[in-house]
Amino acid sequence: GENVEQHPSTLSVQEGDSAVIKCTYSDSASNYFPWYKQELGKGPQLIIDIRSNVGEKKDQRIAVTLNKTAKHFSLHITETQPEDSAVYFCAASLRSQGNLIFGKGTKLSVKP
Amino acid sequence: KAGVTQTPRYLIKTRGQQVTLSCSPISGHRSVSWYQQTPGQGLQFLFEYFSETQRNKGNFPGRFSGRQFSNSRSEMNVSTLELGDSALYLCASSLDRGATEAFFGQGTRLTVV
Repeated sequence: GENVEQHPSTLSVQEGDSAVIKCTYSDSASNYFPWYKQELGKGPQLIIDIRSNVGEKKDQRIAVTLNKTAKHFSLHITETQPEDSAVYFCAASLRSQGNLIFGKGTKLSVKP
Repeated sequence: KAGVTQTPRYLIKTRGQQVTLSCSPISGHRSVSWYQQTPGQGLQFLFEYFSETQRNKGNFPGRFSGRQFSNSRSEMNVSTLELGDSALYLCASSLDRGATEAFFGQGTRLTVV
């Protein structure tokens, strides 16, 4: 079955710097890759997603890139702010399936 | 537009008991999936329901079950609770079948003592 590896497990940056989180997946049939942000005491919040027919997607300070050949995808956050501090999860799935396979998460700390 | 609502938010149960958790999806969403989140195992898929039918199931024992009603609301049940069932149980709703654009509720924190 699908396996998703996520790195790093913790990331600390200064406010205003960029942050990059990387994920690899094992099943070449996976075609949907969302990213979630989870704050303490809350459920995961969908922040951006990408489908396998697209190489890059941007939404303001957040971007995701996908390399299907290498089976990896990355989350890029520019101009980080303290409110970006949270745990970020990548996931992969087959769009025809109802389940997401999640990475183990990255705890991002943005220091003011 | 209201988000995904899960009740209750917190539960404490004793080993051997059973528990039922409830999830109301976003209005108009027909697919509901359940996940278990623990510090050790992370987020793991339990099952997906669409049109009142279980469409997909994760690798959990038969003590974990669920159902979906005609209004798309869903419940999950865990029987014969074990200490290891202590976790945050999350419900996610999607407009249609599949995991695309899945929106999560705040979860139910279950503690088994």
